[in-house]
Amino acid sequence: KQEVTQIPAALSVPEGENLVLNCSFTDSAIYNLQWFRQDPGKGLTSLLLIQSSQREQTSGRLNASLDKSSGRSTLYIAASQPGDSATYLCAVKTSGSRLTFGEGTQLTVNP
Amino acid sequence: NAGVTQTPKFRILKIGQSMTLQCAQDMNHNYMYWYRQDPGMGLKLIYYSVGAGITDKGEVPNGYNVSRSTTEDFPLRLELAAPSQTSVYFCASALDSGGQGNTIYFGEGSWLTVV
Repeated sequence: KQEVTQIPAALSVPEGENLVLNCSFTDSAIYNLQWFRQDPGKGLTSLLLIQSSQREQTSGRLNASLDKSSGRSTLYIAASQPGDSATYLCAVKTSGSRLTFGEGTQLTVNP
Repeated sequence: NAGVTQTPKFRILKIGQSMTLQCAQDMNHNYMYWYRQDPGMGLKLIYYSVGAGITDKGEVPNGYNVSRSTTEDFPLRLELAAPSQTSVYFCASALDSGGQGNTIYFGEGSWLTVV
């Protein structure tokens, strides 16, 4: 059974800092890995999707990497801003069309 | 496109009552999902569907039922509501899932409290 773990559970940083969020998964037989952002009281918005054959994806100040063999992904946020404050979730897609989610990292960026 | 639309946004149910959470998507997606999210937790898959007329159980299907009579709609039925079903429910959809990496789109959630 696939299990996804995110560390840390919560993170508070000053504005402008570069930061890394971590995601690990137990079964390396994945189709892809996605990072999502969730604002309070809202649904999830997909940030980046990395297919199993890829090593990384970039969008603006966000960079996500994938090391399938070690079961790890990182989300790098450069020059963090207060507007980046949200919960970030990673999810892996395995067989049977299922996404397995981590519990999320709650990020607070302080002005 | 409206994307994925869920109704109602908020609902309070008494123990033993039944209700249906509605979900509709206008993106002609084949795959649709229902998740629940408990406080401080990740999302758990309740049911999913790979196309009209086809549904399958996820991780936590007990106490729920679904149907998929059209591509657009994927309602979630709660029978005999229990306090353990107090949660936030998210519907989602994706074009397909054949390892092609299509993005999954989420609705804004339905907050359900069972008292």
